[in-house]
Amino acid sequence: DIQMTQSPTSLSASVGDSVTIACQASQDIGNYLNWYQQKPGKAPKLLIFDASKLETGVPSRFRGSGSGTDFTFTISSLQPEDIATYYCQQFDVLPFTFGPGTKVDFK
Amino acid sequence: EVQLVESGGGLAQPGRSLRLSCEASGFKFEEYAMHWVRQVPGKGLEWVSGISGSSHNLGYADSVKGRFTISRDNTKSSLFLEMNSLGPEDTALYYCAKGRGTIWSGCNIWGQGIMVIVS
Repeated sequence: DIQMTQSPTSLSASVGDSVTIACQASQDIGNYLNWYQQKPGKAPKLLIFDASKLETGVPSRFRGSGSGTDFTFTISSLQPEDIATYYCQQFDVLPFTFGPGTKVDFK
Repeated sequence: EVQLVESGGGLAQPGRSLRLSCEASGFKFEEYAMHWVRQVPGKGLEWVSGISGSSHNLGYADSVKGRFTISRDNTKSSLFLEMNSLGPEDTALYYCAKGRGTIWSGCNIWGQGIMVIVS
């Protein structure tokens, strides 16, 4: 199975800060990567698909990049409503594995 | 309105079975892959199983392969997960999720989740 790692495990930032999360796959997955946001008590929400494509209705401050094994997720200007846990997920090879998540909160 | 509603969860004894259902509405069900994703409260997400729109392609997490069976009834816009030989490790909140396309892609619509407790 493809293993997904994320770093950092958690981070604290201030409103307006740029936030970056890294995701690494244990083998080449092309651009078959999704990013999800999950707030406490809520279902996950798809933000980015195909590594860099913004899901409909998602604010443009969210951005994804990368291909192969190394991917980056960026929030360009952190907003209060962005406090959540973020997960990457590969869908190149079954089973479709998630990363362990990165918890983002306020400093 | 696009909606997914799970049912069938609850308490099960180890070794027993449960069948989860997910009723979809608001979109052409047969045109989209569907998935089950679970989450132990306070822990991360685990993809469990997925099935293409035509049911020709499907897959399972290693942790459930041979015990769980995914299926769908496109005439009833419903997704199912037959869970056999349940163990305490299967205790989790189970989400039904809609893929963005007929085959594999991100999940852009999620149900509210249904709790399964094996004890």
